Amino acid sequence: DAGVTQSPTHLIKTRGQQVTLRCSPKSGHDTVSWYQQALGQGPQFIFQYYEEEERQRGNFPDRFSGHQFPNYSSELNVNALLLGDSALYLCASSHRALGLSPLHFGNGTRLTVT
Amino acid sequence: AQTVTQSQPEMSVQEAETVTLSCTYDTSESDYYLFWYKQPPSRQMILVIRQEAYKQQNATENRFSVNFQKAAKSFSLKISDSQLGDAAMYFCAYRSAIITGNTPLVFGKGTRLSVIA
Repeated sequence: DAGVTQSPTHLIKTRGQQVTLRCSPKSGHDTVSWYQQALGQGPQFIFQYYEEEERQRGNFPDRFSGHQFPNYSSELNVNALLLGDSALYLCASSHRALGLSPLHFGNGTRLTVT
Repeated sequence: AQTVTQSQPEMSVQEAETVTLSCTYDTSESDYYLFWYKQPPSRQMILVIRQEAYKQQNATENRFSVNFQKAAKSFSLKISDSQLGDAAMYFCAYRSAIITGNTPLVFGKGTRLSVIA
């Protein structure tokens, strides 16, 4: 049973560019959440997707957008990259119908903006 | 908004000894969940232990236990018989118990635990 998988593992982009990160949830999970973890900080909630719609959003600008596909996988897009967007981006999946089901995290994508 | 504070950026413990990591939180809600996550160099967040606020009994998971003081809004993690594999970043996290949907986690800044052989 595959857990949460994220791709790519590492990514280097230039300021102003756009980036897409990908996440496949754990088998049986239908909800995907994205978190940004800056160096030396705890993860911060970006947004959550369920039934292909954004359900909740943290305090992040519109440059951060996402998508969920019918197979529950998800993408995180960041436009007009800033140096401050350099971080580890974590994807977490859960099963909404189970209420407070535990979050399962992937190994993250390390984004470096130069 | 809820906040989680971990006042110990770094801690160290001798192998086989016991260590306690501190966490305080601020919330106006009465029902919520608290978690400790471990993040090893592999970067994956691993759930260590979970506590429901409505339960007075402190949660335990093998060598890991918590001291949950609801009135003081304190939630510390005790690791007994520390092992080299316990070395990692430890994050305290809060989650509202709103029934609808899966509410997001609010994390502290973490405590880096070193285990000395």
